[in-house]
Amino acid sequence: AQKVTQAQTEISVVEKEDVTLDCVYETRDTTYYLFWYKQPPSGELVFLIRRNSFDEQNEISGRYSWNFQKSTSSFNFTITASQVVDSAVYFCALSEAGNYGQNFVFGPGTRLSVLP
Amino acid sequence: EPEVTQTPSHQVTQMGQEVILRCVPISNHLYFYWYRQILGQKVEFLVSFYNNEISEKSEIFDDQFSVERPDGSNFTLKIRSTKLEDSAMYFCASTSHRDRGQETEAFFGQGTRLTVV
Repeated sequence: AQKVTQAQTEISVVEKEDVTLDCVYETRDTTYYLFWYKQPPSGELVFLIRRNSFDEQNEISGRYSWNFQKSTSSFNFTITASQVVDSAVYFCALSEAGNYGQNFVFGPGTRLSVLP
Repeated sequence: EPEVTQTPSHQVTQMGQEVILRCVPISNHLYFYWYRQILGQKVEFLVSFYNNEISEKSEIFDDQFSVERPDGSNFTLKIRSTKLEDSAMYFCASTSHRDRGQETEAFFGQGTRLTVV
């Protein structure tokens, strides 16, 4: 069965600090996809990144970076030099490829508060 | 940038009433989904839809729920007789078809906040 764990329920940092959000997943499938979504106070889900299980290369996009490690089943997300606008709930999600598309299993989310 | 559109953004309904939540997926996508997020909780899968039929559904998706793609562009979620516990944010999503082993693009709508009173 699929499962996504985000052990950090809430994190508070001061602006300009770096922060890492942890994500650990479980799956029996060899082909799967990992995602991070941001949910700001307005409620929508904002897509941040998608990673497939065959690509363990880490990725950097501006202040965001992701560290995918299959050996530990982790897909951690780091925000460098955090800003107040980064305050949101962040969800890690897992999707297994199947014959009829994919459904996503979301983690419980980490609420990040960036204080000025 | 293509996007999934949901209407209305907020719906208030009385317990026992029927509601229909509407979604317009991205035009070349083939897989459609509904997810639910009760306030303060995680996003939960409800149902996936492909080739004009339900391909998978969760235990949340009981007989009170139904989905339809009535006209080739809209994708609707109907709740037949709403209960207080149906109050939640409902997200529609669509993905493009990919064979197993390839990447997929997943897009979520902005959500419909359903309040049952």
